[in-house]
Amino acid sequence: QSALTQPASVSGSPGQSITISCTGTSSDIGLYDYVSWYQQHPGKAPKLMIYDVSDRPSGVSDRFSGSKSGNTASLNISGLQPEDEADYYCGSYTSSKTDVFGTGTKVTVL
Amino acid sequence: QAQLVESGGGLVNPGGSLTLSCAASGFTFSDFFMSWIRQAPGKGLEWVSYISSSSYHINYADSVKGRFTISRDNAKKSLYLQMSGLRADDTAVYYCARGGGVTNFWVWGQGSLVTVSS
Repeated sequence: QSALTQPASVSGSPGQSITISCTGTSSDIGLYDYVSWYQQHPGKAPKLMIYDVSDRPSGVSDRFSGSKSGNTASLNISGLQPEDEADYYCGSYTSSKTDVFGTGTKVTVL
Repeated sequence: QAQLVESGGGLVNPGGSLTLSCAASGFTFSDFFMSWIRQAPGKGLEWVSYISSSSYHINYADSVKGRFTISRDNAKKSLYLQMSGLRADDTAVYYCARGGGVTNFWVWGQGSLVTVSS
């Protein structure tokens, strides 16, 4: 049950686009389309931003989009805004019938 | 609106036991998988366990298997996590979440801090 691999940090200026990668294996991301992304502000509970690879819950800005290729999933944030500064985690179901999260990425808006 | 409220956290000695509870409201509790997820201080999220709506399907992370037990009471709209043999590395904020398995974590509680220390 190793954590999925994410970059420790990603930064961008307001208005720019950034992409966060999430690398797993053929037993999790590569096997299922049950990939999700969560946003967590300091001291707060995580919030679901993307589910089933690329679907967005009602109320989540369309500046957030998700995709997957092979064993790697990606979260793209376009038109970066100050309120997007937060930690982001990917998640996936696994062939062991467990869930696993990514190592987390701190997004900084310059 | 859907809401989850955890309780039962606190300070416990190494080797000790503690039970967390999670009260659900605003949705049909008995329809959903439920999970416990933890976050050690300054660290990332770690999935701990899930339980299906009927309690038929249950699974645990290797790090807690044999020490933690998840359960639910659909009549009381409550989720539980019995923790025993607690270790220092179990120190974390424990979140209750709606979802687990192939279902995503749509709703999260505010978290309950468990500190394992002598």
